[in-house]
Amino acid sequence: RKEVEQDPGPFNVPEGATVAFNCTYSNSASQSFFWYRQDCRKEPKLLMSVYSSGNEDGRFTAQLNRASQYISLLIRDSKLSDSATYLCVVNIGGYGGSQGNLIFGKGTKLSVKP
Amino acid sequence: EPEVTQTPSHQVTQMGQEVILRCVPISNHLYFYWYRQILGQKVEFLVSFYNNEISEKSEIFDDQFSVERPDGSNFTLKIRSTKLEDSAMYFCASKSVSGANVLTFGAGSRLTVL
Repeated sequence: RKEVEQDPGPFNVPEGATVAFNCTYSNSASQSFFWYRQDCRKEPKLLMSVYSSGNEDGRFTAQLNRASQYISLLIRDSKLSDSATYLCVVNIGGYGGSQGNLIFGKGTKLSVKP
Repeated sequence: EPEVTQTPSHQVTQMGQEVILRCVPISNHLYFYWYRQILGQKVEFLVSFYNNEISEKSEIFDDQFSVERPDGSNFTLKIRSTKLEDSAMYFCASKSVSGANVLTFGAGSRLTVL
């Protein structure tokens, strides 16, 4: 079983659309959760951490369901600049811990069209 | 904004040759990492380094790989005898001691083994 699984995509949406990405993880010992964004042939960049209570950052909302081992990302009012690959990432270390062994999903590609 | 710097951006080498990839982490960071991403695949953890020693390594990080912090600023990844399957993007990352378990990635070094 893959450690972090994501919708394969690609998601092709018009500007202004709302799009949701899902992710499941296999290791129940996972303690911290993130969404990263990766542009073509670039490095991953942190989009947001994901907390149990759910959290929002502008147009982006992340949810975590520990019981189902499920993470989601919602993007509202999508922009052309949101076009990228979105990586679901988990870590068995806590948010303030020392372990940086991040487990990445393969990513979901988003293409926002005019 | 502080950044992680990697050199070279692209290296082409012959199979069997030694390669050294260099990284300058963010100056006040103390945890250092190497990840790799084969084209079209997920980002994979290789090794983490703290207090001048390896703290974790993956099964990918076999005897052909080594890491070193030769001075106060550089962090290097050496591949002793490159194989075709070592062709990938190699990302260096660093993390501070305090704060969230968030890594800052460099722009990557693309290694092509012929």
